[in-house]
Amino acid sequence: SSELTQDPAVSVALGQTVTVTCQGDGLRAFYASWYQQKPGQAPVLVIFGNNNRPSGIPDRFSGSTSGNTASLTISGAQAEDEADYYCNSRDITSAHVVFGGGTKLTVL
Amino acid sequence: QVQLQESGPGLVRPSQTLSLTCTVSGASISSSYYWTWIRQLPGKGLEWIGYMFTSTTTYYNPSLKSRLIISADTSKNQFSLKLSSVTAADTAVYYCARYYYDSTGINWIDPWGQGTLVTVSS
Repeated sequence: SSELTQDPAVSVALGQTVTVTCQGDGLRAFYASWYQQKPGQAPVLVIFGNNNRPSGIPDRFSGSTSGNTASLTISGAQAEDEADYYCNSRDITSAHVVFGGGTKLTVL
Repeated sequence: QVQLQESGPGLVRPSQTLSLTCTVSGASISSSYYWTWIRQLPGKGLEWIGYMFTSTTTYYNPSLKSRLIISADTSKNQFSLKLSSVTAADTAVYYCARYYYDSTGINWIDPWGQGTLVTVSS
């Protein structure tokens, strides 16, 4: 299957920890990458590979994978973390790029 | 620092061809990266359109393949998107970006252009 499945919405209290998940068969072969998108802005890469953060991404963002599920964890969520989060990987059969449907994170 | 910038008409008539160009600075499009187009329909998620590798090899989303051409102008360090026979369903923000993947399974898209809204309407 080429699909990546994400929960449509998740909420977290300010300062608490939240995990956003992404499921798909392709994740058994390829890592997921995670992107943060705020309204009116382009997506920004926040996690890739085996829990790697690009320069400038706070260390409260972390990633992990288990079987066919990738997870993005924000430890101590801040108000500025409220955004849409998308996972991305490669299709296991065609090697084309696939995206999850996105998760809207609300920080309460 | 690698930067990408989309350019092209913001309004396209139905049945016409949507043409966008991405200008890359800080990296060569002839390098070992995949230069990609992604779109986002209004209020919706991200959809991969296709990518180009070393200016000669292309991979397209099967759902768009019959209408799509991605090409490169290495002299200008630009790559382009042409989507023919557009309808209102092609109205979206179009992003160009750099894509990387390797044999270890690592893959990522970074950086992204700021995006450009293309509206298909008469």
